[in-house]
Amino acid sequence: AQSVTQLDSQVPVFEEAPVELRCNYSSSVSVYLFWYVQYPNQGLQLLLKYLSGSTLVKGINGFEAEFNKSQTSFHLRKPSVHISDTAEYFCAVISMDSSYKLIFGSGTRLLVRP
Amino acid sequence: DAGITQSPRHKVTETGTPVTLRCHQTENHRYMYWYRQDPGHGLRLIHYSYGVKDTDKGEVSDGYSVSRSKTEDFLLTLESATSSQTSVYFCAISEYRDNTEAFFGQGTRLTVV
Repeated sequence: AQSVTQLDSQVPVFEEAPVELRCNYSSSVSVYLFWYVQYPNQGLQLLLKYLSGSTLVKGINGFEAEFNKSQTSFHLRKPSVHISDTAEYFCAVISMDSSYKLIFGSGTRLLVRP
Repeated sequence: DAGITQSPRHKVTETGTPVTLRCHQTENHRYMYWYRQDPGHGLRLIHYSYGVKDTDKGEVSDGYSVSRSKTEDFLLTLESATSSQTSVYFCAISEYRDNTEAFFGQGTRLTVV
């Protein structure tokens, strides 16, 4: 069975500073990886996804993530954050074992301060 | 936005009563999921479906059942609601063929008193 670990429950950062949100996964088969964002009192929106190919994936709002198979990681980065990036971020994984069970991590709350 | 609707959006119910939440989609997607969201736990998978009448358990399925009698509807039933089932419930849909992405409903806030 697959699982996802988000190591930081909350990440405070000042506006215009860089940020990295960490995600590690475990699976015995190949995976698809995702980052979703949830703004207050809203549903989830896809930021970016890794299916195959280039390990550096670019998403919306200036975010990017790098898939590292040897370290089973998929960390999310942004070089300069804005106040509007304050939200909760979820890493998710699907194992390619035909079940297509979509499993989420516990989330990281990004708090951007002026 | 993907055509996915959850109903009701808010519900307050008493302990011991059955409750059914509905997820309706207009996208003809094969896969449908029910999650609950609680502080500190992220989204936890309750049940999911990979086709009409084809369902399977997720991480936290105890006390919940599901049914999918047609492609567009996925029902989540709390057989006898408990206070520990107070949560926000999200439905998601996906196809994994042309566009590998899950689309989410706006959520249902359920309070069990």
